[in-house]
Amino acid sequence: GQQLNQSPQSMFIQEGEDVSMNCTSSSIFNTWLWYKQDPGEGPVLLIALYKAGELTSNGRLTAQFGITRKDSFLNISASIPSDVGIYFCAGQETSGSRLTFGEGTQLTVNP
Amino acid sequence: KAGVTQTPRYLIKTRGQQVTLSCSPISGHRSVSWYQQTPGQGLQFLFEYFSETQRNKGNFPGRFSGRQFSNSRSEMNVSTLELGDSALYLCASRYRTGSSYNEQFFGPGTRLTVL
Repeated sequence: GQQLNQSPQSMFIQEGEDVSMNCTSSSIFNTWLWYKQDPGEGPVLLIALYKAGELTSNGRLTAQFGITRKDSFLNISASIPSDVGIYFCAGQETSGSRLTFGEGTQLTVNP
Repeated sequence: KAGVTQTPRYLIKTRGQQVTLSCSPISGHRSVSWYQQTPGQGLQFLFEYFSETQRNKGNFPGRFSGRQFSNSRSEMNVSTLELGDSALYLCASRYRTGSSYNEQFFGPGTRLTVL
């Protein structure tokens, strides 16, 4: 089945630094999404990408849908303590609506 | 607009019992999907319901079942619970299925512990 490889698994950074994480897939996806999950809560949608090559921003967050449709990256600029959490990428198949998730990137921001 | 709600938030059961979890989607959303989240397997798709019909199913045993009501609310049932069923069960809703342009929004989840 489809698998998403997300890296890095964890990051420890200082407040104010920029962060980059990415996902690669063995298969093509029609849609890429990025979610953030806080402890004990459900994932919250950050950015959705629908077209290959698309670059989308949401405040300090920027994400891109890879040209091959098999990868995506998320950048966070000028990190702040509330950015702490687990970030997941998710791909949506061409047909059907199930999401395939990456393993997550645990982000820790030191003030 | 209220988000996706799930009840109960926490549940403790023993092996062999069965459990029913409930999900109310965002108002106007007609598609509900269920996911299981565990430390070892991550987020895994269970099934999706749209218009009271199961439209998609993940690779889980038949002990996992669900249904959707006419008001789009959904329930998930797990019978003959096993220790490995301990997980965070997440419900996600979207406006409709089969479209690339509507995102899935998640509820807070139900934390199930099987003893």
